[in-house]
Amino acid sequence: GAGVSQSPSNKVTEKGKDVELRCDPISGHTALYWYRQSLGQGLEFLIYFQGNSAPDKSGLPSDRFSAERTGGSVSTLTIQRTQQEDSAVYLCASSFSPRNYGYTFGSGTRLTVV
Amino acid sequence: SQQGEEDPQALSIQEGENATMNCSYKTSINNLQWYRQNSGRGLVHLILIRSNEREKHSGRLRVTLDTSKKSSSLLITASRAADTASYFCATDTLHITQGGSEKLVFGKGTKLTVNP
Repeated sequence: GAGVSQSPSNKVTEKGKDVELRCDPISGHTALYWYRQSLGQGLEFLIYFQGNSAPDKSGLPSDRFSAERTGGSVSTLTIQRTQQEDSAVYLCASSFSPRNYGYTFGSGTRLTVV
Repeated sequence: SQQGEEDPQALSIQEGENATMNCSYKTSINNLQWYRQNSGRGLVHLILIRSNEREKHSGRLRVTLDTSKKSSSLLITASRAADTASYFCATDTLHITQGGSEKLVFGKGTKLTVNP
């Protein structure tokens, strides 16, 4: 597709359950980012993948959060044993050249933990 | 930690007026970018200004950058109701020892309302 695709668009889960969020970046974009945004707040950086380099995981809030990027394309963000404070919109972005062209964002996954 | 900080937090104007939003940041940057967000979903990239540039234009948008004051402004001229959105600045910080992190740090945004 032409844009960054995220699924699901909405997810409601019970506290303690695991969730997987998926991101399909734009083909050819080597850089992929996950951010999360709580209601009315700015974006909080979670993790960054660039080509075959080791990911920058410095933004992951706890060891319940992990992410993979398979084959340099699709990425999955996994949250284990979800808590209510994990409720947020999770945004994925990709870029061909972040220094020159900025990011293209997906529409996000709205996660609600009840 | 927050790098960019937008001001004001909220702005309400009439259609046809100009809207100015400001962003201040703390550390040296490679570039600064402005994004727009409708309805709390995906952000749209508006404009990128490099640290060696002082002003940039794109349509009705004008961005300035003052690296000595560590600040930027976004001006939207002749605003329209469709410009109603949240606007975020994001900085690509320069880590001299590492050649840069290439991850953007976003501010909390300015919520702009343009009344018809």
